[in-house]
Amino acid sequence: RKEVEQDPGPFNVPEGATVAFNCTYSNSASQSFFWYRQDCRKEPKLLMSVYSSGNEDGRFTAQLNRASQYISLLIRDSKLSDSATYLCVVRMNTGFQKLVFGTGTRLLVSP
Amino acid sequence: NAGVTQTPKFQVLKTGQSMTLQCAQDMNHEYMSWYRQDPGMGLRLIHYSVGAGITDQGEVPNGYNVSRSTTEDFPLRLLSAAPSQTSVYFCASSFRTGLGGSPNTGELFFGEGSRLTVL
Repeated sequence: RKEVEQDPGPFNVPEGATVAFNCTYSNSASQSFFWYRQDCRKEPKLLMSVYSSGNEDGRFTAQLNRASQYISLLIRDSKLSDSATYLCVVRMNTGFQKLVFGTGTRLLVSP
Repeated sequence: NAGVTQTPKFQVLKTGQSMTLQCAQDMNHEYMSWYRQDPGMGLRLIHYSVGAGITDQGEVPNGYNVSRSTTEDFPLRLLSAAPSQTSVYFCASSFRTGLGGSPNTGELFFGEGSRLTVL
């Protein structure tokens, strides 16, 4: 089983739609959680950290459920510019606190 | 600031050839790392460094060497290229993570990537 699993998609949504992605992680020693965004043929960039109480940044809301070991990302009022791959990232609380990347969920927002 | 700069952006090698991917950052980050990204695999850590003179292996270090003689530079050497090393390589840096338990944001700053094809 992969340490971090994501639905690869693609999720095809119209502009203005609300879309949610889930990510599950297998290691209960996971300490911190992040969403990165990666545009086609570009480098990943940090979108937001995920806090235990949930957090919001404009149209983006991240949630963490430690009991069920999943993280979610909700995007409201989707824009064409939101089209990208969203990577779920988990940092382990073991020795060197490596970051484990999911394979990403692709989002396509159409006019 | 340039951030993280990687060169070359594209490279084609023949099996058995060697080459070096260059990575430089101007943010005075202690931590630097190399990842490879393959379809369906996610980013995988090859090697990392927590400061000048200190390097360590990640998940997939075989076939690669690194050195860190300065804070700014972290080159990745392919010793004898193999088709299995065809991939997109990303260099990334951040403030120190993990060791010492100091709090950090977990934010990695990535270079633009180097697409390597080994024939």
